Amino acid sequence: DILVTQSPSTLSASVGDRVTITCRASQSISTWLAWYQQKPGKAPKVLIYKASSLESGVPSRFSGSGSGTEFTLTISSLQPDDFATYYCQQYNSYLYTFGQGTKLEIK
Amino acid sequence: EVQLVESGGGLVQPGGSLRLSCAASAFTFSTYAMNWVRQAPGKGLEWVSSISGSGGTTYYADSVKGRFTISRDNAKNTLFLQMNSLRADDTAVYYCAKAPTVAGQYYFDYWGQGTLVTVSS
Repeated sequence: DILVTQSPSTLSASVGDRVTITCRASQSISTWLAWYQQKPGKAPKVLIYKASSLESGVPSRFSGSGSGTEFTLTISSLQPDDFATYYCQQYNSYLYTFGQGTKLEIK
Repeated sequence: EVQLVESGGGLVQPGGSLRLSCAASAFTFSTYAMNWVRQAPGKGLEWVSSISGSGGTTYYADSVKGRFTISRDNAKNTLFLQMNSLRADDTAVYYCAKAPTVAGQYYFDYWGQGTLVTVSS
């Protein structure tokens, strides 16, 4: 199975900050990576797919980059609604795996 | 708007069985692969199983292989997960998730609200 490792596990930031979350795969997955946002008690919501494609309706302050084994999710200017947990997911193989999550907290 | 509504969760004893359902609407159900993803309390997301649009191809995580069976009824726009030989570590919220394509490898573009399965004596 492809292991996906996210960092950091927790991130404290303020409204207006630029933040970056990293996801590393145990082997090359080309650009077959998605990012999700999850708020407490709610289902995940896709933000980015194919490493850098913005899902329809997602604010442009979210962006993704990377290929191979290293990927990043960047939020250019944090808004109050962005404090949540973020997960990456690889879909290079059908044995889909998620990162362990990054909880974005208010500083 | 795409809607996925799970049902069938509840409390079950270890070794017991449960059948989850996911009612889909507002899209052509048979032309999209469907999936189950679970989340144990306070933990991360774990993919459980996938099924192609026709139902002819299925995949399972190693943790549930041989115990869970995914199926679909395209005439009734409904996805199922039959869970047998349940264990305490199967306790989780189970989400139904739609793929953006009929088969292949993919991310999950729509999710249901989830149904809680608790395995405990």
